[in-house]
Amino acid sequence: DSGVTQTPKHLITATGQRVTLRCSPRSGDLSVYWYQQSLDQGLQFLIQYYNGEERAKGNILERFSAQQFPDLHSELNLSSLELGDSALYFCASSATLVADTQYFGPGTRLTVL
Amino acid sequence: DAKTTQPPSMDCAEGRAANLPCNHSTISGNEYVYWYRQIHSQGPQYIIHGLKNNETNEMASLIITEDRKSSTLILPHATLRDTAVYYCIVRVAGGTSYGKLTFGQGTILTVHP
Repeated sequence: DSGVTQTPKHLITATGQRVTLRCSPRSGDLSVYWYQQSLDQGLQFLIQYYNGEERAKGNILERFSAQQFPDLHSELNLSSLELGDSALYFCASSATLVADTQYFGPGTRLTVL
Repeated sequence: DAKTTQPPSMDCAEGRAANLPCNHSTISGNEYVYWYRQIHSQGPQYIIHGLKNNETNEMASLIITEDRKSSTLILPHATLRDTAVYYCIVRVAGGTSYGKLTFGQGTILTVHP
């Protein structure tokens, strides 16, 4: 158990819909990262927040957005969903902005039908 | 971040040492070598990291060649629970990429009874 929690574990929705994935970092961790893992693209970094501010951005689609709240939990919002958005979405946290160790949550499996 | 090359798959007998190689011939002086693993769609798990000296922790040892162009992750006594995808990642600690991890295809390690 990494101490990072993600909800929901599974999500099934239809194309065109919007969903919100939630992540609670380990106690005391200030950085939150989001990653997407699909069969054809592998594990890809989406975005990083540190203490409420966006700090690094990867190949995140404009239809996707994220935020980190004052209590440090984070949400990843995915809108206008397409079949290709079906993937595992992982959240990770670390103590600092550039910590060596990232602790990953169990992931949310999103299926878009 | 420097590109890494890993064999797509490896086998190991239970109880024997598993030696997983990684080539990173374009590594820069300020780039670290990190190893993570992912057990069957679970969140990736940090194993170890190093800059130029060999490192050891309770999970594994990391051997980095003197020219730093390659490294080997050693699991001293592999068990069936070590069956996973192992990712070698090279990145700068800090800089504009902050904590971003760039995952390649990794090595699928299968530990046999």
